Amino acid sequence: KAGVTQTPRYLIKTRGQQVTLSCSPISGHRSVSWYQQTPGQGLQFLFEYFSETQRNKGNFPGRFSGRQFSNSRSEMNVSTLELGDSALYLCASSLGSSGDTQYFGPGTRLTVL
Amino acid sequence: DQQVKQNSPSLSVQEGRISILNCDYTNSMFDYFLWYKKYPAEGPTFLISISSIKDKNEDGRFTVFLNKSAKHLSLHIVPSQPGDSAVYFCAASAGRSQGNLIFGKGTKLSVKP
Repeated sequence: KAGVTQTPRYLIKTRGQQVTLSCSPISGHRSVSWYQQTPGQGLQFLFEYFSETQRNKGNFPGRFSGRQFSNSRSEMNVSTLELGDSALYLCASSLGSSGDTQYFGPGTRLTVL
Repeated sequence: DQQVKQNSPSLSVQEGRISILNCDYTNSMFDYFLWYKKYPAEGPTFLISISSIKDKNEDGRFTVFLNKSAKHLSLHIVPSQPGDSAVYFCAASAGRSQGNLIFGKGTKLSVKP
């Protein structure tokens, strides 16, 4: 079974631009969660989508948004990029029930200049 | 306020000996705990998990112990191998928010030959 895939793996943007990251979950998984990893804050939860609906949301500004498609693939969008948005963005998928394990993709390294 | 704490940023162990990584949590609603291993520039790799109804779970060289009264869990690796050198993250979730994993800041394990 293929693992979680994320595209692109690396991205360089400038302040003020917007960016879209993509995540394809493990086949059969209906839940996709997004996390931001930075050296200072560690891994922080952004949001979770399940069956095309946002089920949970972390404490990030509205510039961070996402969506999920009927095939469970998910995209994350960040508008009006700031220097502090430079981070590793990780996507994780699971079956979606309580106690199910989340499996992570390799991440997208975003650098904002 | 950190809900999941890994108080040791680093740990060095001799090959063949036991590695013990510790994690404390504050939220009594957490009912599922996981350990992930992470190499630089890669996504976290799932290692082992434990439900709050258990106090021990074992998988090969890895054992996780949960002490609910102390709100403490630990990961034991026996015997430690140089390939175990990585950053280890403890994570927790609460039933209805299972898609939202709360991570500790990680412990960097170095296993010396």
